Amino acid sequence: GQQLNQSPQSMFIQEGEDVSMNCTSSSIFNTWLWYKQEPGEGPVLLIALYKAGELTSNGRLTAQFGITRKDSFLNISASIPSDVGIYFCAGHSTGTASKLTFGTGTRLQVTL
Amino acid sequence: DGGITQSPKYLFRKEGQNVTLSCEQNLNHDAMYWYRQDPGQGLRLIYYSQIVNDFQKGDIAEGYSVSREKKESFPLTVTSAQKNPTAFYLCASSMAGPGEKLFFGSGTQLSVL
Repeated sequence: GQQLNQSPQSMFIQEGEDVSMNCTSSSIFNTWLWYKQEPGEGPVLLIALYKAGELTSNGRLTAQFGITRKDSFLNISASIPSDVGIYFCAGHSTGTASKLTFGTGTRLQVTL
Repeated sequence: DGGITQSPKYLFRKEGQNVTLSCEQNLNHDAMYWYRQDPGQGLRLIYYSQIVNDFQKGDIAEGYSVSREKKESFPLTVTSAQKNPTAFYLCASSMAGPGEKLFFGSGTQLSVL
C-alpha cells in the first residue's frame, strides 16, 4: 500500500519554539487529517481538512490543505512539553476503497 | 462516555498459537478497521468492515482473520500463519467509510514468547 512522505522524521526543539511539518503525496487527496500519538496510545485526531487551500486552527495548531491537493502542512506555535509525541498525516482520495493512507510520522521532542 | 475499547493492553503469543484481540465501540459507527504499527513506521491496514457481516482485506491481511457479527464489535485473530506478529495493533471506527474521520482505540501490544 502507498504511504505518504512526511517530513521531517524527527524534531528536537526547545519549549516556546514554533514547529512546522509537512506531508506530500504523488496522488491527489480530497481529505487530509492530522493525528497525534503519544507512547503506548492510539492516535488522536487534531485537525481535519476537506478543501484545497483550507486553513484550519485548533488552539496552537494550524493545518493547511495544499493548493495542489498533494500536500498538507501542520504548524504548532509556542511549543510546550505536552506537545511531545508522533504526528501523523493521513490522506484520502475518492476511488480509494474505504481506507486512509497514513504518513510515516514526525516524532517531536520538546526540551525545557 | 463514548469510545473504542481495545483489550487486552498487552498480549503474549506462543509459537503456533492463535490469539484474538478484542475491539468494541459504542459510537454507533458503521465502519471499523484494524491497523498494525511497527516501530518507526506508519499505520498499515489489516482489515476493515463497513457493515455487519461484511469485511474486506487491507494491505497486509495475510495471517490475520476478522469477524463482524455485531455492529459494536470487530475482533481480530492473529493466526499461527502470521510469522512476525510482534507489533502494536490499533482498532478504529468511523461514521461511514471513505474520507470519514477515524477514531482510534488505545491499542494492544502483541509480543511473541
